[in-house]
Amino acid sequence: GAVVSQHPSRVICKSGTSVKIECRSLDFQATTMFWYRQFPKQSLMLMATSNEGSKATYEQGVEKDKFLINHASLTLSTLTVTSAHPEDSSFYICSAREPVAKNIQYFGAGTRLSVL
Amino acid sequence: AQKITQTQPGMFVQEKEAVTLDCTYDTSDPSYGLFWYKQPSSGEMIFLIYQGSYDQQNATEGRYSLNFQKARKSANLVISASQLGDSAMYFCAMRAMNTGGFKTIFGAGTRLFVKA
Repeated sequence: GAVVSQHPSRVICKSGTSVKIECRSLDFQATTMFWYRQFPKQSLMLMATSNEGSKATYEQGVEKDKFLINHASLTLSTLTVTSAHPEDSSFYICSAREPVAKNIQYFGAGTRLSVL
Repeated sequence: AQKITQTQPGMFVQEKEAVTLDCTYDTSDPSYGLFWYKQPSSGEMIFLIYQGSYDQQNATEGRYSLNFQKARKSANLVISASQLGDSAMYFCAMRAMNTGGFKTIFGAGTRLFVKA
């Protein structure tokens, strides 16, 4: 299947700092990417839909100023957690929709964020 | 509103036997897609199988098959000849039109344990 690369896989940061997570589609162009958050032993919660060349669409309850999304090219979307706090600690997963084959979403390996 | 329900938080299966993971869904959109993903302990989401709402035949991918019963709104995953490496979390997902566009939502997941 298609490959989505997510970096970094793990990050530990101090409270108040900002963290950027990158999501790349390696072998296809993705006009739409998605950012999910997953708490331990829970399902994936959609945070926002990232659209190339336009503003991201955030889900209800997700702070757009807190979670900045930039989709500057057809292969790269970034999520920046600004002024991170311990409650932002979570597993963040990106996915990209392969536009041709059945609209399947392929996922990155995830980023485990720990805010001290 | 669309909804995905997985009622089995955990399942046990003996190695080499078949197992069925349940999934029911609800949507008012006549055109939708159903997916199953596997999430091992590493956290990566692995795409397994896809079923379109207009597909006449049940999808199959190797040892995975999807038992699609449209009238009952169920999309159960059948894993044949279970292997130890199948132990993981399994998520059912649906992509359908919602307020704000197409979205993919996930069920709560089923943790599968394969016994030797």
